[in-house]
Amino acid sequence: GAGVSQSPSNKVTEKGKDVELRCDPISGHTALYWYRQSLGQGLEFLIYFQGNSAPDKSGLPSDRFSAERTGGSVSTLTIQRTQQEDSAVYLCASSPKSGGNTEAFFGQGTRLTVV
Amino acid sequence: DAKTTQPPSMDCAEGRAANLPCNHSTISGNEYVYWYRQIHSQGPQYIIHGLKNNETNEMASLIITEDRKSSTLILPHATLRDTAVYYCIVRVATGNTPLVFGKGTRLSVIA
Repeated sequence: GAGVSQSPSNKVTEKGKDVELRCDPISGHTALYWYRQSLGQGLEFLIYFQGNSAPDKSGLPSDRFSAERTGGSVSTLTIQRTQQEDSAVYLCASSPKSGGNTEAFFGQGTRLTVV
Repeated sequence: DAKTTQPPSMDCAEGRAANLPCNHSTISGNEYVYWYRQIHSQGPQYIIHGLKNNETNEMASLIITEDRKSSTLILPHATLRDTAVYYCIVRVATGNTPLVFGKGTRLSVIA
């Protein structure tokens, strides 16, 4: 595809349910990042992948959050036992390689609402 | 934590140049300066980045001071579509570091 694709674009779930958010990076991009943005707030880093490995998981807010990436491509962010404070826009970005001289391209996000 | 300081908001008249400042006084020699913007309800969009030289592309110009402790993003002829939150980010040139976003500057372009 032409850009980073995220699905679903919107998700409403009941408190306590598990949700899976999907990110399809730009083909060939080795680095993949997950962020979340609560209403009216800035972007909060969650986790980073280089290939299929996650060298930086420091931003995951709790053990209810996990992420995986398979085949160096698609990534899934899973939130277990969702809470209302998990409501936010979850953004995914990819870049051709890691490091500071490479731009990252963002998807349009998944808006998660926990009711 | 973000290593940059930006004014929370700015206004600019349509058609005029928008000059967005950023302070990064603790920047290291191997850190780049990046600018992204986020238009309402969209994902962040890359604008430009640089190390120490001034940079220009089709969207904007980036002016970095000689001591690299501050920079200015210039949108030469702002349009209403440039209304967005603009983020200035410093990022190390090597290793696996993510972009760390601060609060940015909310630019309002006024007709």
